[in-house]
Order: sequence, then C-alpha cells, then structure tokens
Amino acid sequence: GNSVTQMEGPVTLSEEAFLTINCTYTATGYPSLFWYVQYPGEGLQLLLKATKADDKGSNKGFEATYRKETTSFHLEKGSVQVSDSAVYFCALSYSGNTPLVFGKGTRLSVIA
Amino acid sequence: GAGVSQSPSNKVTEKGKDVELRCDPISGHTALYWYRQSLGQGLEFLIYFQGNSAPDKSGLPSDRFSAERTGGSVSTLTIQRTQQEDSAVYLCASSKEAGQAKNIQYFGAGTRLSVL
Repeated sequence: GNSVTQMEGPVTLSEEAFLTINCTYTATGYPSLFWYVQYPGEGLQLLLKATKADDKGSNKGFEATYRKETTSFHLEKGSVQVSDSAVYFCALSYSGNTPLVFGKGTRLSVIA
Repeated sequence: GAGVSQSPSNKVTEKGKDVELRCDPISGHTALYWYRQSLGQGLEFLIYFQGNSAPDKSGLPSDRFSAERTGGSVSTLTIQRTQQEDSAVYLCASSKEAGQAKNIQYFGAGTRLSVL
C-alpha cells in the first residue's frame, strides 16, 4: 500500500540554522506530494505541494523537490525562525480528490 | 464560511456514551474527509465523501463509527458506545474538484475527544 516515512523528531534548532526534514514515500503511479504544518493550537495548513516529478514546491522560505528516482520530498529552509516552531507532516494523494496518506509528523522547535 | 468549521472544539464523554461531531465544509467544496489524529497512530484517514457518490468508508476502525453528509454540505461523524481508545483529535477537511486550488484539502481546527 501507499505510505509516507519522515524523520523522527523532535528537531531542535537555533534561529537562522538550516533545516532539512526528510520524507520518502512508497506509492504506485504518480502521486501528488504535500507538506502540511500544524502550529501550536491551530489546525493543519498546507505549506507547499508538488504534483509531478522534478516539481519544486515553495512557500514562506520553505522548499521541497519531488524526486521520483529517490521517491523523496525533503523539506528545506535556509534560515529558520522561532515562528517556524510547529509540527510538519509530509503527505501524498492522487488526483481526483483522494484521501491523504500522512507521515507521522516531525516536531520542530526553534530557539532564539 | 471562510474556512472549515468543526464543533464542538472539545468533547469530554464517559465510556459507553455516543458522541456526534460536526463538520461544516467550505462552501462549494464537493469532497469532505474525516481524519483522526492520535499520539500513537499519527494522522489516519477515516471516511471520505465525494459529491453524490457512495462514501469511502475504508478507514473506519470499527462499526461503532459512522458518518453522514446531508445535502452535500454538513457532515456528522458519530461514534457509538465510545471507548477510551477513541480519545483523539478528529479532523475534517474539504476540497474542490476544479480550479486553481483543485484537490487541495483545507482542514478545520478539529474536535478533541476525551473518553473517560
């Protein structure tokens, strides 16, 4: 079946550090890939997405590139801020409004 | 409304009682999803409604769980004879079939269910 694996947390970084959260997936065909973020006390929000191989999704300084050859969609940010502290979820789905398959989530804490 | 609305935001119940959780999707969104977020299991899909099609119930953990969607809009998730392992945050999401934001799921803030 389809599955998403992301690095275990928690991840603690100092402000302005470089962030990478690894995500790999197992799926048949060509899923769309997503990163969702859950800030403390808030609901899940879409951070970025990519719908085909080699697409790069980007938002708020975060980037992730859809790598079909390595079945990966790693999240990166060059310089994190305290306000980036949240739980990040990697997910996949197929076109046609299918349910999302989520990774377990990675908690990021950024300290000043 | 502007976003997906869920109620109540918190629900505390006693083991064995029935509970109903409500989701009001974004206007015009034809697809509606229920997920469950718990400490041990992460985010799990429960059930999915798409337009007038029969719902995909493949994620429901037991026959104590059911959901309906009336008039293609509001949905209610019902848990009968609640058990302590049902304690979790229940999330609702909706998406639309066409346009720039096609297939992007927008989530509500969730209902935190605690079964004592």
